[in-house]
Amino acid sequence: AQSVTQLDSQVPVFEEAPVELRCNYSSSVSVYLFWYVQYPNQGLQLLLKYLSGSTLVKGINGFEAEFNKSQTSFHLRKPSVHISDTAEYFCAVSDKGNQFYFGTGTSLTVIP
Amino acid sequence: DSGVTQTPKHLITATGQRVTLRCSPRSGDLSVYWYQQSLDQGLQFLIQYYNGEERAKGNILERFSAQQFPDLHSELNLSSLELGDSALYFCASSSEGAAYNEQFFGPGTRLTVL
Repeated sequence: AQSVTQLDSQVPVFEEAPVELRCNYSSSVSVYLFWYVQYPNQGLQLLLKYLSGSTLVKGINGFEAEFNKSQTSFHLRKPSVHISDTAEYFCAVSDKGNQFYFGTGTSLTVIP
Repeated sequence: DSGVTQTPKHLITATGQRVTLRCSPRSGDLSVYWYQQSLDQGLQFLIQYYNGEERAKGNILERFSAQQFPDLHSELNLSSLELGDSALYFCASSSEGAAYNEQFFGPGTRLTVL
């Protein structure tokens, strides 16, 4: 079975500062990797996904993530955050067999 | 707005009762997923349907069941409810149901078991 670890439950960051949200996974098979964002009182929205190919993946709203197979990581980054980025961020893994595993989430708070 | 609708938005019931949550996928999407989000367990994948048939099963309890109807809407049935079943239940849909397809999430149904 797969598991996903999001090391930081809460990340406060000042507006216009860079941010990195960490995600590590464990899997004995190749996987698909995803980052989702959940705004207050809303469902999840896909930010980006890694399926294969280039290890640097660009998503919506200026976010990007880098797949590192040797470290089994898929960290999310943004060079300059905005107030509107305040939300819960979830890393997820699929084992390609349609089983999905989510991390416990990281609450990003952007401070004006 | 993702295009996925869920009803009801809120549901309050008592232990031992049975409830049905409904989900309508985005127009054209053939696959529906159900998730449970709770404070202690986080976001858990429950089950997936594709064009009326079960495709994948996650951490779904035996007291829970789901189905997808010919018009592609789906229902999640929760029975013999316990306090621990209180959670936010999300439905998501995707076009073809492959693991790499983007899933579009509904706004959720918040279930409170008293």
